[in-house]
Amino acid sequence: DQQVKQNSPSLSVQEGRISILNCDYTNSMFDYFLWYKKYPAEGPTFLISISSIKDKNEDGRFTVFLNKSAKHLSLHIVPSQPGDSAVYFCAASALTGANNLFFGTGTRLTVIP
Amino acid sequence: EAGVAQSPRYKIIEKRQSVAFWCNPISGHATLYWYQQILGQGPKLLIQFQNNGVVDDSQLPKDRFSAERLKGVDSTLKIQPAKLEDSAVYLCASSLGGTRGKETQYFGPGTRLLVL
Repeated sequence: DQQVKQNSPSLSVQEGRISILNCDYTNSMFDYFLWYKKYPAEGPTFLISISSIKDKNEDGRFTVFLNKSAKHLSLHIVPSQPGDSAVYFCAASALTGANNLFFGTGTRLTVIP
Repeated sequence: EAGVAQSPRYKIIEKRQSVAFWCNPISGHATLYWYQQILGQGPKLLIQFQNNGVVDDSQLPKDRFSAERLKGVDSTLKIQPAKLEDSAVYLCASSLGGTRGKETQYFGPGTRLLVL
């Protein structure tokens, strides 16, 4: 049972434009959400996180939005750069749990120069 | 600061053979995780250690997989005997081991296993 879902396997965006990656979850116990970026032959790299007490968190070009009622979060990258081309994983954990991360299947972002 | 180290990076074995992976977490990180990532899927937690104790191994196929973290630092993950469906990338991650549910996990580069 996939508790975290990324329904878009791939996304292509022009350099300088906004990239929007989406993620949905089903477990209402999830209270902490993260985005990881993964380049080929490397492990996932932490990008940005958000706690359920917030609806937005911003770090430079990256902003994560959380809509708890819809069980939906999104990652916005503005402006997109060719170096952002990677696979992006959404992950979630429950505050009452053992910090287990549940990952989505990933979205491959390609930023076209 | 050195990141999470893993070895080997690649391993090819035949089914029914055994294999072991090694992980050295970030210095000072009390919590260590092993994930399995099958092609086209996200990482799935196999086992979590807090120091040298197991916190969660509910997803670990214990008939063939085993893991240990002696002295609360390095860890090894073993598969014996391997099956074709074990072909995957095995990722090790570590975190400080502080506030539950708000920890950022840092991943190593992974070991890519191919079982023939």
